[in-house]
Order: sequence, then C-alpha cells, then structure tokens
Amino acid sequence: GAVVSQHPSRVICKSGTSVKIECRSLDFQATTMFWYRQFPKQSLMLMATSNEGSKATYEQGVEKDKFLINHASLTLSTLTVTSAHPEDSSFYICSARVGGAGGNTEAFFGQGTRLTVV
Amino acid sequence: AQSVTQLDSQVPVFEEAPVELRCNYSSSVSVYLFWYVQYPNQGLQLLLKYLSGSTLVESINGFEAEFNKSQTSFHLRKPSVHISDTAEYFCAVSEAGGSYIPTFGRGTSLIVHP
Repeated sequence: GAVVSQHPSRVICKSGTSVKIECRSLDFQATTMFWYRQFPKQSLMLMATSNEGSKATYEQGVEKDKFLINHASLTLSTLTVTSAHPEDSSFYICSARVGGAGGNTEAFFGQGTRLTVV
Repeated sequence: AQSVTQLDSQVPVFEEAPVELRCNYSSSVSVYLFWYVQYPNQGLQLLLKYLSGSTLVESINGFEAEFNKSQTSFHLRKPSVHISDTAEYFCAVSEAGGSYIPTFGRGTSLIVHP
C-alpha cells in the first residue's frame, strides 16, 4: 500500500514557540491531505483538509491562525502550531488520499506526531 | 452527514477467545465502511473495508466484518485473538461516491490477556 511519512514522531517545545510537522506521501501524489488531532483515549478529530496549491479548509472551531497548513507540493503538507501552549499538547496525525474525486479511494495515515508543550 | 457509534470503549478478552467489536452507523446516503487499528503512539492502519459487493469482508490477519444494512452495523469479529491484537480499533464511515472524508467512531480498546 501507499506510504505516508510523518515527521517528527515526537517533539517537545517550550510554550510560546512554534512547531512544524511534516507529512509526506512517499510513493504517490496526494492532492488532498487531512490533519487530525487525537486526545487521549478519544477518536480522531478532523482539523482541516489540505489541498495542494490552495488554502486549507478548516473544520469549525479550529483556529486557522494557530494551526497553519501549507500544501505546497503533491507530496508534502505541513502543519505549523504557532505560539504553542500546553493545551496544544496532543497527538497529531495526517492522512493522504490516493486517487481523484469520488469515494472509492482509501486514506493512508502517517505514524503521528506526539507534541508536548512545556 | 454520517455518524459512527462504537458501543464499547473497552473490551477485555483472554487469548484464543473470540471477540466482537461493535459498530453502528447513521447516514442518509449509501456509505463505505472501514475498520482501522492503532497501536500505541502510532498512526492508523486499515484493517478492512466494505465498498460494495459481498457484505462479509476479511482481513489478512483473521479479522472479519459484516455489513448489515438493515441494522446499520459493521461489527468486527475474530474467532481467536492473540496478545498482539491488543490495540485501539476505530470504525469509520464515508459517503459512497462523495468526497472522501471518513468520520470516525470514538474507538474500542481491545485488551487481550494471557
């Protein structure tokens, strides 16, 4: 199957700093990538849909100025958590979709990034 | 819009026993259904999926799930679990033929005891 690589797997940063998380599709082109946030023992919450060459679509309640998404190429999307605070500590997961429009496609997930803000 | 309900947050079971993880969904349109598995501090891996055709789908590691349209369910089963099956399992649904954005259930933690 297709491989999605997410980096870093773990990051600890100081409160007030910014952190960038990369999501790469290694063996396919992904026109659409998704960013999720997962709280302990809870499901994945979709934060935003990232489209190559255009602005990301954010879900309701997600601050777009805090969670900056850049999808500059067909194989790379980045999520930058700006001015991080301890409440931003979470597990962030990206996924990328193979294929074009339509539902008969599968999303492949990165291994996730554990962000801890101290 | 779709929604997914995983009725059990945690399922403890002994090794080699059978297990069923329940999943019910709600949708006004036709759906695709998925089960994903997540090991600690890792991303999600697709376990199996139903898109169309046979309502019984199987994975390579012995899991199976059956799509029941009348009961709007997609329960996951395995006749004999291993310690290595201990993980978090997520049921997901997406709109068939629509823009693919899966909606996830809250997950079921399968804990296999020796």
